[in-house]
Amino acid sequence: DAMVIQNPRYQVTQFGKPVTLSCSQTLNHNVMYWYQQKSSQAPKLLFHYYDKDFNNEADTPDNFQSRRPNTSFCFLDIRSPGLGDAAMYLCATSKAGGSQPQHFGDGTRLSIL
Amino acid sequence: EDKVVQSPLSLVVHEGDTVTLNCSYEVTNFRSLLWYKQEKKAPTFLFMLTSSGIEKKSGRLSSILDKKELSSILNITATQTGDSAIYLCAVEAQTGANNLFFGTGTRLTVIP
Repeated sequence: DAMVIQNPRYQVTQFGKPVTLSCSQTLNHNVMYWYQQKSSQAPKLLFHYYDKDFNNEADTPDNFQSRRPNTSFCFLDIRSPGLGDAAMYLCATSKAGGSQPQHFGDGTRLSIL
Repeated sequence: EDKVVQSPLSLVVHEGDTVTLNCSYEVTNFRSLLWYKQEKKAPTFLFMLTSSGIEKKSGRLSSILDKKELSSILNITATQTGDSAIYLCAVEAQTGANNLFFGTGTRLTVIP
């Protein structure tokens, strides 16, 4: 019954080798978010889509990009992963409008060799 | 700068104990405060609080918001080992989307 699905659960890539993480949702929510969470730290918002409108956080590195081809899917592309990009990446969705809780997927744990 | 601070950072209790977790915030244009439980994977939504002084309750968990003090507490009574997790507090600001500012969490360990 998972409603926000992230694939894969674990991803290992090499330093500098592009990697794509995927997220899909069955909730038909307008808004999709990508967070980066490092060990013992709070989730940090990278960017979000409000329908097709992309909103990048000011301090998100250029190395991180995203695509949302349709309502259900959203991808996180890391063009040239560095060792510092090893983290858990969380996808979340919410309805549009204020005071709507975000629903998270199980995350993808990214390791960089 | 917007920030959310949780205390304590970690807590170890015995089964059956009652715990209180704290969250304080400084966020421009506050809209709501949310509590999440994070075990080994995704944060699971617990509560959303928008009004001061109104307690939200779900089983052994309850939470209340104090807008005057810019804080919230999460209470867990009769704790069980399954309550062991990181409890995240997040505050939503009134921006175009539902941007959340997360605290670093309180790690709760319940010992049998």
